[in-house]
Amino acid sequence: NAGVTQTPKFQVLKTGQSMTLQCAQDMNHNSMYWYRQDPGMGLRLIYYSASEGTTDKGEVPNGYNVSRLNKREFSLRLESAAPSQTSVYFCASSALRGPSSYNSPLHFGNGTRLTVT
Amino acid sequence: QQQVKQSPQSLIVQKGGISIINCAYENTAFDYFPWYQQFPGKGPALLIAIRPDVSEKKEGRFTISFNKSAKQFSLHIMDSQPGDSATYFCAARSPSNNLFFGTGTRLTVIP
Repeated sequence: NAGVTQTPKFQVLKTGQSMTLQCAQDMNHNSMYWYRQDPGMGLRLIYYSASEGTTDKGEVPNGYNVSRLNKREFSLRLESAAPSQTSVYFCASSALRGPSSYNSPLHFGNGTRLTVT
Repeated sequence: QQQVKQSPQSLIVQKGGISIINCAYENTAFDYFPWYQQFPGKGPALLIAIRPDVSEKKEGRFTISFNKSAKQFSLHIMDSQPGDSATYFCAARSPSNNLFFGTGTRLTVIP
């Protein structure tokens, strides 16, 4: 099993360009997430999808859009990249989401390192 | 504003020593407190977790101590090994089921 797969691994964009980060999981998980990781800030939730067909904003959604394409795939789109979006982006999935999810940890991909110049 | 405060930012420990990482939170509605371990170039992975109705949880060399009244919890790594060198994140889950992460602690275990 590959777990959570993210593409690309690295990307450099110019300010104003757009791109889509891809994420796929093969664990039949219901919930998927996008986080960004910045030095001194930890991981912050951008968007999540509790189940197929639903998406919700997290802590830092501005400048991003998401699509839950099917149960396996959850993409993150930057419509007009800004230098403030330079970060490492992690996709994660979990089997469950909610009060009964104690035994349903987040499984993370290996990240996409994005630089916006 | 950081929902979960983590310290120290970095930690250097001799092999065989005890590593201690501390976290504090304000929101008493948080109901689940996991720790994640991250190696360079990889995503974080769940290490150990605790619920607020328990004061301590131990798994091998890793122990979480939880003080509900002080709103603090800590990770203790006993007999620290070079292979434990990684970045550790504490986290807390809100009633809306979102995880808030601390800022991370980079642990280096010297052989």
